[in-house]
Parts: sequence; C-alpha cells; structure tokens
Amino acid sequence: DAKTTQPTSMDCAEGRAANLPCNHSTISGNEYVYWYRQIHSQGPQYIIHGLKNNETNEMASLIITEDRKSSTLILPHATLRDTAVYYCIVRVARGGSEKLVFGKGTKLTVNP
Amino acid sequence: DSGVTQTPKHLITATGQRVTLRCSPRSGDLSVYWYQQSLDQGLQFLIQYYNGEERAKGNILERFSAQQFPDLHSELNLSSLELGDSALYFCASSETGDPYNSPLHFGNGTRLTVT
Repeated sequence: DAKTTQPTSMDCAEGRAANLPCNHSTISGNEYVYWYRQIHSQGPQYIIHGLKNNETNEMASLIITEDRKSSTLILPHATLRDTAVYYCIVRVARGGSEKLVFGKGTKLTVNP
Repeated sequence: DSGVTQTPKHLITATGQRVTLRCSPRSGDLSVYWYQQSLDQGLQFLIQYYNGEERAKGNILERFSAQQFPDLHSELNLSSLELGDSALYFCASSETGDPYNSPLHFGNGTRLTVT
C-alpha cells in the first residue's frame, strides 16, 4: 500500500487557514489522495479527494504537487469545530479492493 | 449526516457472548465496509461487501462474520466475545461506478463494551 506521512499534531488559530501537509512519495499514477477527519469518536467524515488536479469544495481545498508526491489540505478559515484528527489516505487502485487504509493522522487543534 | 445508519449505538455484553451489529447504507450504495477502531489500533478494515457478495477481507477474526442482505443492509456478527473486542465498529458505504473515485461515507458507529 502507498504509505503516507503526516505530522503527528498541529495547531492553528481560529479564523486562520489551516494547512495540513501529507507526503506520499510512493503513490502510483492511478491512485487517488483522500482526506478524512474524525471528531472525537464520531465516524470518519469525508472531506475531499483528488487524483492530480487541485480540488475545492465547500469544506476545503486540496493542493497536489505536480509530481504527486505530496499534498496539502487547506481549511480556509478554521473554527473550533475543525479540531479533529485528519487522515490523508492514498487509495490503493489494484486487486479489486477498494478499501481505505487509515494511518495515525494529524491531530489538529484550533485555538481561540 | 452521512446517510449511513448503524444500530445499536451502544452495546454492553459479557465475555463469551454473541452480538449482531447492523448497518443500513446510503440509498443506492451497493458497497458496505466494516471497520474496527480500538484505542491502541486505530481504524482497521475488517471486510467489504458489494451487492451481497464478499469483495475484500481485512484483519477480521474467525469469530467475526458478516453478510449483506438483498435489501443491501449489512450485519456484523461477533461471537465468543473477549475483552479485547471492546471497540468502536464503523460501517461505511460507497456509490457504484468508479470504485476508487467514490468516497466512503461512514456511520457514527456502534460502541461495543465487553465486560
């Protein structure tokens, strides 16, 4: 499985942009980058995903480098409710298994 | 609200017992996934069903089994329960079409406590 590397924890001030990095240097050409977050013990919440182009939705923006070896999730105006564990996942595109493999993620704390 | 419904929310049972966790996927989703999250293990993939058929298996114990019914709801059966089975169990579903380009949407889980 393509591995991802994320910082263990990050802090962000409320109202500022939160930029969460992820390295995935072994990603293959047809593998998507997914971002999820988990608030306390709730179910993981889908945020965004992309293949090679930058993506934006109502929650966040995803910036993928041209070589696809890293990406950044951007929460443009972080609020206290964005405090969560954020998971960057490379979705393996082979073998008929479409599962997501979760790592340890980044614990983002948004401070007032 | 992800649209994935899991019941019950909480379950407390004794060692050696058997329980059934239920999942209703989002309307129209054919794939169902089960995950286990315990304190020291993170989110672990257990098993996936697609339109009633087992599609992928992960770290699922032999004491655990699952199925997906014709109405697409799924059940995870846990038997001969041990203290270490205490965990959050999440169900997720995804759309048809390109499987790798379809996000999984998770329910809010069942918290199982084995005493």
